[in-house]
Amino acid sequence: QKEVEQNSGPLSVPEGAIASLNCTYSDRGSQSFFWYRQYSGKSPELIMFIYSNGDKEDGRFTAQLNKASQYVSLLIRDSQPSDSATYLCASKAAGNKLTFGGGTRVLVKP
Amino acid sequence: DTGVSQDPRHKITKRGQNVTFRCDPISEHNRLYWYRQTLGQGPEFLTYFQNEAQLEKSRLLSDRFSAERPKGSFSTLEIQRTEQGDSAMYLCASSLDKGEAFFGQGTRLTVV
Repeated sequence: QKEVEQNSGPLSVPEGAIASLNCTYSDRGSQSFFWYRQYSGKSPELIMFIYSNGDKEDGRFTAQLNKASQYVSLLIRDSQPSDSATYLCASKAAGNKLTFGGGTRVLVKP
Repeated sequence: DTGVSQDPRHKITKRGQNVTFRCDPISEHNRLYWYRQTLGQGPEFLTYFQNEAQLEKSRLLSDRFSAERPKGSFSTLEIQRTEQGDSAMYLCASSLDKGEAFFGQGTRLTVV
């Protein structure tokens, strides 16, 4: 079992809809969680991070964390064609490295 | 500060040659990470430093790979006797201890 699991997709959403991305992790020592966006051929770009259970909103993005279920999600509201990319989930335990999932490819169709 | 800088951006090398990549982190960041990414996969951890100390190295990492971070500033990643399977994007990231990590633009290695 991989430490961080994501559905590879593609997740196809119509423009203006909500894209919902999920991520599960196996290390209960993980304390912080990160979502990165990666366009084809480019390096990962940080979108959001979350440390506490519950929701965290930043513009059109909402990250959700449930430590009991070892589950992290990312919602993208009012999806735009420019949101088409691969979204990477990563976890980090205290004093430890970032561990990435395989990424979910999102396609926003006009 | 313009962020994490990696050099070169692209490298084509013949099998069996040695290559070295450089990473300059964000100046106040004490942590520096190296990852490798192949097409369709997430970044795979290689190694990371806290200041000049190399704290962890992936068990998957061949002895042909070595990394240094002298004086806790820039870092180099060397691959000796390159193989075709080493072809990938090599990503460097930096962070503060408990902070989020920011990536450089990567070095794309092609071994022919």
